[in-house]
Amino acid sequence: SQKIEQNSEALNIQEGKTATLTCNYTNYSPAYLQWYRQDPGRGPVFLLLIRENEKEKRKERLKVTFDTTLKQSLFHITASQPADSATYLCALAPRYALNFGKGTSLLVTP
Amino acid sequence: DTAVSQTPKYLVTQMGNDKSIKCEQNLGHDTMYWYKQDSKKFLKIMFSYNNKELIINETVPNRFSPKSPDKAHLNLHINSLELGDSAVYFCASSQRDMTTNEKLFFGSGTQLSVL
Repeated sequence: SQKIEQNSEALNIQEGKTATLTCNYTNYSPAYLQWYRQDPGRGPVFLLLIRENEKEKRKERLKVTFDTTLKQSLFHITASQPADSATYLCALAPRYALNFGKGTSLLVTP
Repeated sequence: DTAVSQTPKYLVTQMGNDKSIKCEQNLGHDTMYWYKQDSKKFLKIMFSYNNKELIINETVPNRFSPKSPDKAHLNLHINSLELGDSAVYFCASSQRDMTTNEKLFFGSGTQLSVL
């Protein structure tokens, strides 16, 4: 069966450090992969999309890598800030809708 | 000027009741979705509509019936509510369906509590 796996444990890091979140998938052949941010009581918000022929994508302090051989995406937040604390979701679209991983909760402490 | 709006924000009801959640998007998108997020925060697709036509029904009980009166609206009606229906329900939209590289725009969710 198709699976999208993210670290279920919360990630705690100190302000200013780089946070790295992992997304692994099985039984997908995605043309692209997306990352979303979800704050408590809110809907997910789109952050980045990376295509299968792109190794890396950057947006401000965010960087995403996509390795279709390893079936893995890494999501990096550099110079992290307390405002980056949220749950980050990885998503793939097998057909007509996005399937999401369970998300990784990130806590950035001052 | 909210992009995807859903009402109500909170819904508390008794088992066996029938309830509806409404969703509207003002983005001019062709495709709308309903997702369910359970207590473990797992976000799961329920339905997808493209230009008012159902394109995905992911093994959701028949008690759940989506209705799309026009491209901008996708409502969710739930009959005979059960305890296990308690969750947060999110409406979302995208420009086109997911066969292209589309991103989703989500509403703020409806917290449904069945007592």
